[in-house]
Amino acid sequence: ELKVEQNPLFLSMQEGKNYTIYCNYSTTSDRLYWYRQDPGKSLESLFVLLSNGAVKQEGRLMASLDTKARLSTLHITAAVHDLSATYFCAVDPGGGADGLTFGKGTHLIIQP
Amino acid sequence: GAGVSQSPSNKVTEKGKDVELRCDPISGHTALYWYRQSLGQGLEFLIYFQGNSAPDKSGLPSDRFSAERTGGSVSTLTIQRTQQEDSAVYLCASSPRGTSAEPSSYEQYFGPGTRLTVT
Repeated sequence: ELKVEQNPLFLSMQEGKNYTIYCNYSTTSDRLYWYRQDPGKSLESLFVLLSNGAVKQEGRLMASLDTKARLSTLHITAAVHDLSATYFCAVDPGGGADGLTFGKGTHLIIQP
Repeated sequence: GAGVSQSPSNKVTEKGKDVELRCDPISGHTALYWYRQSLGQGLEFLIYFQGNSAPDKSGLPSDRFSAERTGGSVSTLTIQRTQQEDSAVYLCASSPRGTSAEPSSYEQYFGPGTRLTVT
């Protein structure tokens, strides 16, 4: 059974700081997704990572994937209050015939 | 363009009643997924459709849950004899699903969800 673990699950940080959210998964996969969820809202796609070594950046967020280590990271640079949200990583267990397996989410609060 | 839409946005029902939840995917998306999100269980995959067929029903939590998709488009998720533990937000997502090698073809685009409360 595929397990996806995120850490930390809760993070409070100050504006201007950098931080990294980690996502470990238990079985081989080369498709990793990052989503953002605001309170009471649905999931917004941030990144799709499809191969070992993939790196994607959008604004202050950068995601990377190491399939050998079964690890993805979401790095936040010079955080701003608008990035406060819950961030989920999700893994496609294989082949396109299955749904995504999600981590528990990282609740991020950025204090002005 | 139009995104994934779901209806109703909120549903309150009494224990033991049946409910139907509807999902309209993005036009042209061949794959459709149902998930649910609850405080206790997080985000769980329920069922996947490719076209009208559902090769993977493994995530459906019990035989009270069923889903169908017609015309390769609209899908309905039906919960029979609802129980309080069925209370959750039910999310639908659609995807072009590998129609090209581009990463965007693997993205899953989520609808706003249906909040189901069973009293």
